[in-house]
Formats: sequence, C-alpha cells, structure tokens
Amino acid sequence: EPEVTQTPSHQVTQMGQEVILRCVPISNHLYFYWYRQILGQKVEFLVSFYNNEISEKSEIFDDQFSVERPDGSNFTLKIRSTKLEDSAMYFCASSEARQETQYFGPGTRLLVL
Amino acid sequence: GESVGLHLPTLSVQEGDNSIINCAYSNSASDYFIWYKQESGKGPQFIIDIRSNMDKRQGQRVTVLLNKTVKHLSLQIAATQPGDSAVYFCAVRGSGSARQLTFGSGTQLTVLP
Repeated sequence: EPEVTQTPSHQVTQMGQEVILRCVPISNHLYFYWYRQILGQKVEFLVSFYNNEISEKSEIFDDQFSVERPDGSNFTLKIRSTKLEDSAMYFCASSEARQETQYFGPGTRLLVL
Repeated sequence: GESVGLHLPTLSVQEGDNSIINCAYSNSASDYFIWYKQESGKGPQFIIDIRSNMDKRQGQRVTVLLNKTVKHLSLQIAATQPGDSAVYFCAVRGSGSARQLTFGSGTQLTVLP
C-alpha cells in the first residue's frame, strides 16, 4: 500500500539554525500539506500546496517558514532561524484531489535547543 | 473559523466491548469529516470519513455517525481489541475556500484485558 514517507524521523537543532524537513507524498497525489503537533496538543494545519504554489496557509505559517517541491517526488518544509517553540512533530500529508482524504506520514520530531 | 472538541480526553473499555468516541464541531458549513487513529510516535492514520450529505457510514468494525442538527460526530468501534488502543482524532474540513483540516484534541482509548 502506498504511503507518505518523511525524513528525518528525528532532528535536533540549535536555536537560530535552519532546518529542512523532507516528505515524499504518495505518487499519484497532487495536493500536499504540512501540519504540526506540539507535544500534548492538537494537530495544527500549517500549509497546503498544489501546482507548485501555496493554496492555503495558517497564521502559524509566517515568513519563517517556506515550502518547496524541488523535484517530482519530494516536498520540503524549511524553517529558518528556528525558535524553541518550533519544537514539535511535523507531519506531511497528501491527497489525490482537493476534496479527498489526506494521508499522513509518520512525522519528523523536531527539537530546538 | 472552525473549532473541534472531543467530549472525553480518555476512554477505557474492556476487550470485546464496543467503544464510542464523540466529537463536536462549530461550523455548520463544514462538509467533510474524518476520524484518524494515532499510535504513540506515529502519524495520524485514516480510519473512516463521511461527507455532510450522509448521516452514517460503516467500515470494518467501525461506524461513523453524523448529526448535523447538533453538529456532532461519533466513532463507534465494535468488539474493541487491544490493537485499537490509541489516540483518536476527529478532523473537520470547512466548505468554501478553507479546505484545511481542523483537528480535535483527541481521545485516548485504552482497551483493558
């Protein structure tokens, strides 16, 4: 069964550093998403991406964040100048169409020290 | 905007019994509802979904009920098994231009032997 994959599974970084989280969506899916989950809290939407551009973003997704589809398979989330409060699980998801089910990857646990 | 809440943060059931997990949402224009299961350290796993033109949908051992009048959603798990122990989230998608998922806070289901 096809699945969303994410790398790395864990990332530890120093405050102020840049991190890039990587995702490989399901191959025939066209819509891609990033969510985050701070420990013990709800899963929160960050951004959705379609046709090489952002289609929706939340208030969380400020200038510190950016997304990119650098090639035909990867979808990345870049966090510039990380802050302590960026520590969270980051989930990538993809869907075949905009109104279809979103399937989630296993997540990247980011710890900012 | 949308807000989503679950009625109980924890639920314990005996193995073999049925489980019912409830969720309330705020936006009457929401048109798509999903239940996800999240095991420790993993990403949300799709269980079942329902669109607003339906009030009941069944899967394998799971049933989702939607009551649009009171904006309430429930997940029923028949013959609960130890492998069902996890956190269960409902997620709601709004209509119109806002297509991102809004997640509830999750119910921890524990299956007792």
